[in-house]
Amino acid sequence: DQQVKQNSPSLSVQEGRISILNCDYTNSMFDYFLWYKKYPAEGPTFLISISSIKDKNEDGRFTVFLNKSAKHLSLHIVPSQPGDSAVYFCAAKVGSSNYQLIWGAGTKLIIKP
Amino acid sequence: KAGVTQTPRYLIKTRGQQVTLSCSPISGHRSVSWYQQTPGQGLQFLFEYFSETQRNKGNFPGRFSGRQFSNSRSEMNVSTLELGDSALYLCASSLSGPQADTQYFGPGTRLTVL
Repeated sequence: DQQVKQNSPSLSVQEGRISILNCDYTNSMFDYFLWYKKYPAEGPTFLISISSIKDKNEDGRFTVFLNKSAKHLSLHIVPSQPGDSAVYFCAAKVGSSNYQLIWGAGTKLIIKP
Repeated sequence: KAGVTQTPRYLIKTRGQQVTLSCSPISGHRSVSWYQQTPGQGLQFLFEYFSETQRNKGNFPGRFSGRQFSNSRSEMNVSTLELGDSALYLCASSLSGPQADTQYFGPGTRLTVL
């Protein structure tokens, strides 16, 4: 049972346009969400996070939106650049002491020139 | 500051064998977590070590084990390898634990079981 779902395995976006990556979760106990970016042959790198007390967090070209009632979060990249081509993972935090990150399967973003 | 390093980068084993993977965290980081990544499954949490103690464990069979040394370096061992163990194994380090701050990942060890 996947608690964190990224239903789009891949997404293709024109350079300069907005990229929107989606993530749905089922566990209402999640209180912290993170996005990671992964290039081939490298480990994931932290991109941006959001706490459940917020509905938006912005960092430069990257904005994450959280809709708790819909159990949905999205990552917006504006404008999209060729270097943004990577696999994007969303992850959610469970619990406060016995910590585990629950990861989605990832979405491969391809930025077309 | 040097990043997280993992050795070896690639490994080919046959069913029934055992394997040991190594992870050196960023200097000063005391928490090391291990993940398994397979296509279409994302990252599956294996376990986390902090100050030489396993602090958290995922839902993997006992064939998967680990340890952490006093210098925070960590090893992961898989015994009696199965074909389904073929995956990218990632380790991540953080200062005090994944819940307190972000994790920094190594490049991974690609394990192929034949």
